[in-house]
Amino acid sequence: NAGVTQTPKFQVLKTGQSMTLQCAQDMNHEYMSWYRQDPGMGLRLIHYSVGAGITDQGEVPNGYNVSRSTTEDFPLRLLSAAPSQTSVYFCASSPTGTGGRYQPQHFGDGTRLSIL
Amino acid sequence: AQSVAQPEDQVNVAEGNPLTVKCTYSVSGNPYLFWYVQYPNRGLQFLLKYITGDNLVKGSYGFEAEFNKSQTSFHLKKPSALVGDSALYFCAGRDPGAGGYQKVTFGIGTKLQVIP
Repeated sequence: NAGVTQTPKFQVLKTGQSMTLQCAQDMNHEYMSWYRQDPGMGLRLIHYSVGAGITDQGEVPNGYNVSRSTTEDFPLRLLSAAPSQTSVYFCASSPTGTGGRYQPQHFGDGTRLSIL
Repeated sequence: AQSVAQPEDQVNVAEGNPLTVKCTYSVSGNPYLFWYVQYPNRGLQFLLKYITGDNLVKGSYGFEAEFNKSQTSFHLKKPSALVGDSALYFCAGRDPGAGGYQKVTFGIGTKLQVIP
């Protein structure tokens, strides 16, 4: 049971570099989201998707792009990395539809990103 | 706007003693509330949820939570703490309305330290 898989687990970037954080889920969940976790700030929503081809911004979207071409995958792209984007990034998924709103999210184990 | 507050950054409790991790919420209508636990270098794991019905909700690993509408609280409890319960705990609330987008708001987290 893979659940939500995030790659890579760790990454160090230089300021200005770009990269893509991968997220894949095998539970056929329609709803997927990206969060960043920073000390004292809990989890903040970056972007989310309610299905293939549909994405929208969360509360801290600046500097990040997403796309959702399949139900399974929801990559997060950093366009030009900045030190302020040093954080731990979590991908989560949950079902939507009838009863979906009652269901908890399933989280990956995170990507720890440092930007120098 | 909905919000979830965890007033304690850290809770220390002796092994074998009861523990409480506090959460208060501000969500319009009837809230959907969740507790998650995060162990080091791992993603969040679902513990329990309140949707409707009985105010005392039982979850994984012996945890339970009490929903109190008049105090707008959803405190996490366990009768006897274990050293292995030491982790970061997050309370989360979901707006039950607003169509298919199930926005979840997380508290900032409470670190639970169980002392042997």
